[in-house]
Amino acid sequence: RKEVEQDPGPFNVPEGATVAFNCTYSNSASQSFFWYRQDCRKEPKLLMSVYSSGNEDGRFTAQLNRASQYISLLIRDSKLSDSATYLCVVNGRGSTLGRLYFGRGTQLTVWP
Amino acid sequence: DTEVTQTPKHLVMGMTNKKSLKCEQHMGHRAMYWYKQKAKKPPELMFVYSYEKLSINESVPSRFSPECPNSSLLNLHLHALQPEDSALYLCASSQPGGGQPQHFGDGTRLSIL
Repeated sequence: RKEVEQDPGPFNVPEGATVAFNCTYSNSASQSFFWYRQDCRKEPKLLMSVYSSGNEDGRFTAQLNRASQYISLLIRDSKLSDSATYLCVVNGRGSTLGRLYFGRGTQLTVWP
Repeated sequence: DTEVTQTPKHLVMGMTNKKSLKCEQHMGHRAMYWYKQKAKKPPELMFVYSYEKLSINESVPSRFSPECPNSSLLNLHLHALQPEDSALYLCASSQPGGGQPQHFGDGTRLSIL
């Protein structure tokens, strides 16, 4: 079983739409969670950390459900510039401390 | 502007060549990482340095040799690579200890002829 599972999509939505991505993780001891975005042929960039209480940054809202080991990212009022691949990332614990585990990414295309 | 810089941006080399990839960060981080990324795949961890010491080697072939001269610099020495080693090589840095987000450089796109 993979450490982090994500629906690869692709998601194709019109501008202004609301879109949600989900991922699950296998290590219940994981403590840190992140969403990164990666544009085509570019490096991953940190979008936001995910906190237990849920957190919001402008149009982006991240949620964490520890009981279900489930992380989500909601994007409201989608913009063309949101088109990218979104990577769900979870930290390792114990012997794998210092290691991040990446989901395979969810591809989003926002069309005019 | 990225605070983790990598050089060169692109590299084409033959299988018998020796080359080095370089990474520099000015974020005061004490952990640095090398990743390999193939198209439409997530980054794959290769090496982790924590406080300038190698802490994780993900069973990477010896044709890849990392080096951390100081807390700001990370090199990846390449020798006798194979065509399947063609990929985007990403450097990242973070505070050590786990649980910290990593900040990536913009990568070196490597092609092996």
